Amino acid sequence: GQNIDQPTEMTATEGAIVQINCTYQTSGFNGLFWYQQHAGEAPTFLSYNVLDGLEEKGRFSSFLSRSKGYSYLLLKELQMKDSASYLCAKNQAGTALIFGKGTTLSVSS
Amino acid sequence: DADVTQTPRNRITKTGKRIMLECSQTKGHDRMYWYRQDPGLGLQLIYYSFDVKDINKGEISDGYSVSRQAQAKFSLSLESAIPNQTALYFCATSDQTDDEQFFGPGTRLTVL
Repeated sequence: GQNIDQPTEMTATEGAIVQINCTYQTSGFNGLFWYQQHAGEAPTFLSYNVLDGLEEKGRFSSFLSRSKGYSYLLLKELQMKDSASYLCAKNQAGTALIFGKGTTLSVSS
Repeated sequence: DADVTQTPRNRITKTGKRIMLECSQTKGHDRMYWYRQDPGLGLQLIYYSFDVKDINKGEISDGYSVSRQAQAKFSLSLESAIPNQTALYFCATSDQTDDEQFFGPGTRLTVL
């Protein structure tokens, strides 16, 4: 199968740091996407990791370990507007992206 | 103007009716996709097309069909709608040189 696993829900407070993990099967792996989706809206691109390591983009960073089939999205200095679903998606060779079920993040004041 | 558009944005229909959801893009991308989203289930791939003459089934193609009328247009049909096809449907596009997918605004479909 192509199971992409990520936690269903997470909660955090404003100003905090949160890490959302994602694991996937390594066969046919080309890269790992993270998307953000606010309720009722389209997903929007956050990051794409192909090589091992951490990529930082402002308050958001994404990490990849290809050998372990593991990625995480790190959100710093959380704001209320970061309350959303975060979708991990595996770029599978020769086919479309395979999405996880998403992690719903709730940020409280 | 939006790069990926979907029509209609909302639709309520009855069991057994045929319905078509349309997607158009101005990004010049070769690849187009249809997903459905149900609460708690993430995005599930219905069909995808890597160019005009290419159609591929995704994870949940049963009960659906597609047509790639042109590079810019990819439509999804429900031949005989049933209530468990009530969902949010997204179209997406990508370029063959860059796998990032760009999503349309979604179509909320309700089958009564």
